[in-house]
Amino acid sequence: DAGVTQSPTHLIKTRGQQVTLRCSPKSGHDTVSWYQQALGQGPQFIFQYYEEEERQRGNFPDRFSGHQFPNYSSELNVNALLLGDSALYLCASSLSQGGNEQYFGPGTRLTVT
Amino acid sequence: AQKVTQAQTEISVVEKEDVTLDCVYETRDTTYYLFWYKQPPSGELVFLIRRNSFDEQNEISGRYSWNFQKSTSSFNFTITASQVVDSAVYFCALSEARFPPQFYFGTGTSLTVIP
Repeated sequence: DAGVTQSPTHLIKTRGQQVTLRCSPKSGHDTVSWYQQALGQGPQFIFQYYEEEERQRGNFPDRFSGHQFPNYSSELNVNALLLGDSALYLCASSLSQGGNEQYFGPGTRLTVT
Repeated sequence: AQKVTQAQTEISVVEKEDVTLDCVYETRDTTYYLFWYKQPPSGELVFLIRRNSFDEQNEISGRYSWNFQKSTSSFNFTITASQVVDSAVYFCALSEARFPPQFYFGTGTSLTVIP
């Protein structure tokens, strides 16, 4: 039973560029959430996708956008990268019903120079 | 609004000591869920335990135990006889009963177990 997978593992981008991160949820899960974790901080909620729609969104600008595909996999896109976007980006999947735990992927380490 | 507070930023203990990680939460919901996650240096968050708001029974799993008290809005995590492998950042989280639920994480407690 494959867990949550994310690609790429590491990424280095230049300020102003655009980046796409990918996530495949744990088998059987239908909900995907994305988090940004800066060094020494807790995960900050970016947004959540269910049934290919953004259901909830945290306090992040429109430069952060996403998509969920029919197979439940998801992408996170960040436009016009800023130095402050450097962080570990975590994808988590879960069942849509309340009370179920989220399972996390290994994350994508994004460095913006 | 939902909020999770982990007041302990960093804790260091000597191997074999017991250690308790504190978690205090805020919510207006009557139904909610609490979680603990472990983030080792490798970076991946590992699920440890889930508790629903109607179940205040304490739970023990090996060297780990959890104390859930609604009266004080706390969900504390104790590691007995700590080991070096317990060194990690531990996060407490709260989720709603809505569909689909959003998770709210604390800022984490970094635990270092010294051999």
